[in-house]
Amino acid sequence: SQQGEEDPQALSIQEGENATMNCSYKTSINNLQWYRQNSGRGLVHLILIRSNEREKHSGRLRVTLDTSKKSSSLLITASRAADTASYFCAVQGTNAGKSTFGDGTTLTVKP
Amino acid sequence: GAVVSQHPSWVICKSGTSVKIECRSLDFQATTMFWYRQFPKQSLMLMATSNEGSKATYEQGVEKDKFLINHASLTLSTLTVTSAHPEDSSFYICSATILAGGRDNEQFFGPGTRLTVL
Repeated sequence: SQQGEEDPQALSIQEGENATMNCSYKTSINNLQWYRQNSGRGLVHLILIRSNEREKHSGRLRVTLDTSKKSSSLLITASRAADTASYFCAVQGTNAGKSTFGDGTTLTVKP
Repeated sequence: GAVVSQHPSWVICKSGTSVKIECRSLDFQATTMFWYRQFPKQSLMLMATSNEGSKATYEQGVEKDKFLINHASLTLSTLTVTSAHPEDSSFYICSATILAGGRDNEQFFGPGTRLTVL
């Protein structure tokens, strides 16, 4: 079964608000990556966080990782309409190297 | 660096034909390449793991005779969808892990190939 499980499945907010998405997994990981995907398009890599890291920032994005709880969160601050997309976490296990994707969170930012 | 390309970016074919999709690591050597499939409004599902010079490892439920994978070099893997049918219409995405340089096992994803079978 998939390791990554995300919540919420869908999130609708007003422009300027913050959006938080969560990802939980089941086993030990090498790293966890967050991606954005606009409808019908490819993946856009956002942030990679390694198992020995707890927090990373990139512009308006903040990712946290809690290995004790086996969970990660993606925070988008001061959201914009252009942030509307699906967001996926991908968990890379400690063996085999393959990544398993969560079901994704569909974010809608209303102008 | 660490760019993965796919070709073609989209393809439309008739039912019963075969389609080949290429995945290339442009500026690094990849120990392993992975092939994923994504149906509309769903997540990415791993199809197979491909290592250079050896047979691919397929995930449960993926037909190896239908989805042929050839990993001829450290920079190229191909996925051939044989005798394609409309239900094979999907978005196919590859990824590659880097061979060395302190970034072992980090995965880099290609932009995807959208296959439509008529």
